[in-house]
Amino acid sequence: NAGVTQTPKFRVLKTGQSMTLLCAQDMNHEYMYWYRQDPGMGLRLIHYSVGEGTTAKGEVPDGYNVSRLKKQNFLLGLESAAPSQTSVYFCASSLTSGRARDTQYFGPGTRLTVL
Amino acid sequence: KQEVTQIPAALSVPEGENLVLNCSFTDSAIYNLQWFRQDPGKGLTSLLLIQSSQREQTSGRLNASLDKSSGRSTLYIAASQPGDSATYLCAVMRYSGGGADGLTFGKGTHLIIQP
Repeated sequence: NAGVTQTPKFRVLKTGQSMTLLCAQDMNHEYMYWYRQDPGMGLRLIHYSVGEGTTAKGEVPDGYNVSRLKKQNFLLGLESAAPSQTSVYFCASSLTSGRARDTQYFGPGTRLTVL
Repeated sequence: KQEVTQIPAALSVPEGENLVLNCSFTDSAIYNLQWFRQDPGKGLTSLLLIQSSQREQTSGRLNASLDKSSGRSTLYIAASQPGDSATYLCAVMRYSGGGADGLTFGKGTHLIIQP
């Protein structure tokens, strides 16, 4: 099994450009998450989804949109990129959430630079 | 708002030593606590998950404890090896009354095991 995969691995954008990050999981997990990791800040939750067709805001949602049209995919969009969105983006999934046994599995990350 | 603190921020010890990493959290209403390992430029790998009703979990040379009432967890690494060098992250899943809020992470402990 591939687990959680992320596309692309690296990307450089200019301010104002748009892009979509793709997360895919093959574990039939219900819950999916997008986090960003910044030096000195730790990982912070951007958006999450509790199932196909659902999305919800996390701690730092501004400037991002998400969609979960298929259970296995969770897309993170930047409509107008800003330098403050330079970060490493991680996608994660879990079978359910809040249940004690549900470990979150992380993808390898996407390193995004906005100039 | 849940806050997670990890002490120390960095630790360097000789190979073979036993060591303890500390994690504290401000809101004791949690579902679970997870310890992750992150290698440079890589994603997160789950090491141990402790249910809110549990006191500890063990996996090989790793032992994690949880004292929910005091908001503390420790990760004990026995007989450390150079391959244990990585950043160790503590994260809690907050109980939100039915919703899924994702994990709240500490900033990590950067561990170096000297050969």
